[in-house]
Amino acid sequence: KQEVTQIPAALSVPEGENLVLNCSFTDSAIYNLQWFRQDPGKGLTSLLLIQSSQREQTSGRLNASLDKSSGRSTLYIAASQPGDSATYLCAVRNTPLVFGKGTRLSVIA
Amino acid sequence: DVKVTQSSRYLVKRTGEKVFLECVQDMDHENMFWYRQDPGLGLRLIYFSYDVKMKEKGDIPEGYSVSREKKERFSLILESASTNQTSMYLCASSSTSGGSYEQYFGPGTRLTVT
Repeated sequence: KQEVTQIPAALSVPEGENLVLNCSFTDSAIYNLQWFRQDPGKGLTSLLLIQSSQREQTSGRLNASLDKSSGRSTLYIAASQPGDSATYLCAVRNTPLVFGKGTRLSVIA
Repeated sequence: DVKVTQSSRYLVKRTGEKVFLECVQDMDHENMFWYRQDPGLGLRLIYFSYDVKMKEKGDIPEGYSVSREKKERFSLILESASTNQTSMYLCASSSTSGGSYEQYFGPGTRLTVT
């Protein structure tokens, strides 16, 4: 059974830092991997989707990479801002999505 | 932009009541999903549907049922609400076209059962 792990569970950084969030999964036979952002009490917002044939995707200050063979993905956030504070979840698609429990990010001004 | 809407942001119901949570998407997506989210447990899949009138059990279907009579609408039903069903409920949809399967979420319904 697919398991998705996100480390660390929580992270606090000063504004302006570049940071990396990690996601690992146990079964490399995935169709794609999706990163989401969730603000407190709200739904999930899709940030990036990486297909299994791709190595990375970029959107603005965000860059997500995928290494299927090692069962890992990273989300890189450049020049972090207080508005980036949220919980970040990764999910892999076998059928259907399997979610990690998220990393709660706090960016301190 | 894809839009997934849920009928209520907050809902308070009594134990034993029948509860309906409605989800509507406007992008003609084939696939729709219901999750619940609880602290420490993450998102857990309750039911999903790949087509009208089709439904599949997720990881925690007990105590729930679903209905999908129209492509754009997916309803979650709590037949007899219990306090352990107090949770955040999230609906999502995705398309099979193009092989993307990118999943889009609604704003969530915070259900409290007293």
